[in-house]
Amino acid sequence: GAVVSQHPSWVICKSGTSVKIECRSLDFQATTMFWYRQFPKQSLMLMATSNEGSKATYEQGVEKDKFLINHASLTLSTLTVTSAHPEDSSFYICSARDSSTGGNYGYTFGSGTRLTVV
Amino acid sequence: GQQLNQSPQSMFIQEGEDVSMNCTSSSIFNTWLWYKQDPGEGPVLLIALYKAGELTSNGRLTAQFGITRKDSFLNISASIPSDVGIYFCAGRTQGAQKLVFGQGTRLTINP
Repeated sequence: GAVVSQHPSWVICKSGTSVKIECRSLDFQATTMFWYRQFPKQSLMLMATSNEGSKATYEQGVEKDKFLINHASLTLSTLTVTSAHPEDSSFYICSARDSSTGGNYGYTFGSGTRLTVV
Repeated sequence: GQQLNQSPQSMFIQEGEDVSMNCTSSSIFNTWLWYKQDPGEGPVLLIALYKAGELTSNGRLTAQFGITRKDSFLNISASIPSDVGIYFCAGRTQGAQKLVFGQGTRLTINP
């Protein structure tokens, strides 16, 4: 089945530094990947839609200069949290959509990244 | 924007009981998905529904795509301890790339 690998699973960084999170589709190609943020006991909040070879589409209220997304290949998207602050601490989850299935399948999620900014 | 109303928000049941949860929307969806999320993990797909009226099972899980295309339910029969977790519904409208998620149902099982 479709597998999405997300790395790292957890990271602790100092305030003001940047952190990069990787999302890889291991056994399928993904022209579209999604980045979510989840606060404790809440649902997933879509941050942006990442399309291979083009700029990401950000949801309203998400700072594109703070959350940099790069989708340079059909199997890799990265989210960089720039100049991280404690309020950026959260659980970040990526999802990849299998390009070969005509859009009806393949919303596979990574295992998430727990970011703690100290 | 579009929202899915998922209920109940939480359930406390005894092992062996059946569970039912549902999602409703003010918009028409052409895809309904049900996911389970364990603590510290990403959501895992349980059942996918693509046609109005479709009824699909996955072991002890059964889900249906409502006839109006504005609702879906998930049933779990004979619950076991490993069913504990948060269940999310998600929907996709025609032509859309992104999913819309429900608020989640937190399932707790007393042994």
